[in-house]
Amino acid sequence: DIQMTQFPSSLSASVGDTVTITCRASQSIGNYLNWYQQKRGKAPKLLIYGASTLQSGVPSGFSGSGSGTYFTLTISNLQPEDFATYYCQESYRNPPWTFGQGTKVEMK
Amino acid sequence: QVQLQESGPGLVKPSQTLSLTCTISGGSISSGQYYWTWIRQHPENGLEWIGYISYSGNTYYNPSLRSRVTISGDTSETQFSLEISSVTAADTAVYFCGRGATIRTRELDHWGQGTLVTVSS
Repeated sequence: DIQMTQFPSSLSASVGDTVTITCRASQSIGNYLNWYQQKRGKAPKLLIYGASTLQSGVPSGFSGSGSGTYFTLTISNLQPEDFATYYCQESYRNPPWTFGQGTKVEMK
Repeated sequence: QVQLQESGPGLVKPSQTLSLTCTISGGSISSGQYYWTWIRQHPENGLEWIGYISYSGNTYYNPSLRSRVTISGDTSETQFSLEISSVTAADTAVYFCGRGATIRTRELDHWGQGTLVTVSS
């Protein structure tokens, strides 16, 4: 199975900050990388697919980049509703399509 | 707009079979090319991909669970189910159903709200 390593596991930030979360794959996965946001007690929500394509309805403050084994999710001008846990997921070739361990974005 | 809703017992005894159903509103298993997927989340832990049934009826399971998992579709095509046999406390988790796109990058674009299943005697 492909292993996904996310870092940091948590970070503290303030409203208006720009934060970056990194996800590394144990082998090249092209652009088969998706990002999800999960708030406490809720289901994950798709933010970005294909490493960089914003899902419909997701605010433009979210952006993704990368290919191969290294990917980033950037949240610009952090809003109060953006404090949540973020997961990357690879969906390359055959399942299981594994998730990263998550990054919790907390208020400073 | 597709909506998904999980249902099933919240408490299962060890060694028994966990059974959950996901009801699809605004769509069906064969409407469009999707993977109808189960994912679980252990308490305070990350997400684990369990398996799927596709629009064509094919199934694929996580090798770590393959010997105990069955995912099936209902003849109405508006429900699909998850069964995990011989459960232990390690199967205690919130279980989500989701829809994965077969085109693009197989992202899970719709999720149910999740249902907590506790394995305990």
